[in-house]
Amino acid sequence: GDSVTQMEGPVTLSEEAFLTINCTYTATGYPSLFWYVQYPGEGLQLLLKATKADDKGSNKGFEATYRKETTSFHLEKGSVQVSDSAVYFCALSHPEYGNKLVFGAGTILRVKS
Amino acid sequence: GAGVSQSPSNKVTEKGKDVELRCDPISGHTALYWYRQRLGQGLEFLIYFQGNSAPDKSGLPSDRFSAERTGESVSTLTIQRTQQEDSAVYLCASRLEADTQYFGPGTRLTVL
Repeated sequence: GDSVTQMEGPVTLSEEAFLTINCTYTATGYPSLFWYVQYPGEGLQLLLKATKADDKGSNKGFEATYRKETTSFHLEKGSVQVSDSAVYFCALSHPEYGNKLVFGAGTILRVKS
Repeated sequence: GAGVSQSPSNKVTEKGKDVELRCDPISGHTALYWYRQRLGQGLEFLIYFQGNSAPDKSGLPSDRFSAERTGESVSTLTIQRTQQEDSAVYLCASRLEADTQYFGPGTRLTVL
């Protein structure tokens, strides 16, 4: 079945550092890919998404590019802030399977000032 | 507009008791999903509703788990004879079109 693998955390960075959180997937066909974020004490929020190969999703300075050839969707940000501290989840879905989300295990990001 | 709401926010119960968890999706959203997040683990899909029918129940872990949806709106997830391994945060999400799901704040279930 489909699966998502993301880098283990926690990831600890200083403010203004460059962020990469790796995500790779195994799936049939052409799934949609997502990054969701869960800030402390809050619910899960969609951060960005991409629905086809070579699409780039972006939001709040974060970016991720759908790479079909490497089955990857790595999350990047050029300069992190303390407020970016959260848990980040990579996920995929297939319209033909009702769009149910298959999630990675989540990566904790801690940004220090 | 209002987002997805869930109740209760926290539920503590004794092993063997039944519990009901409620989800109110965003008005007009036809698709509704239940997921579970156990401590230290990722989110697991439980069940998916399209309208009031459930075309995919493949994630329900046992026959102690059931869910229903009425009026293409509210959904309840029922866990009978709860076990300690049922302790988790239960998340509900709804979707209108395309592929973006919007999540509720979750219900934290603790089985003693």
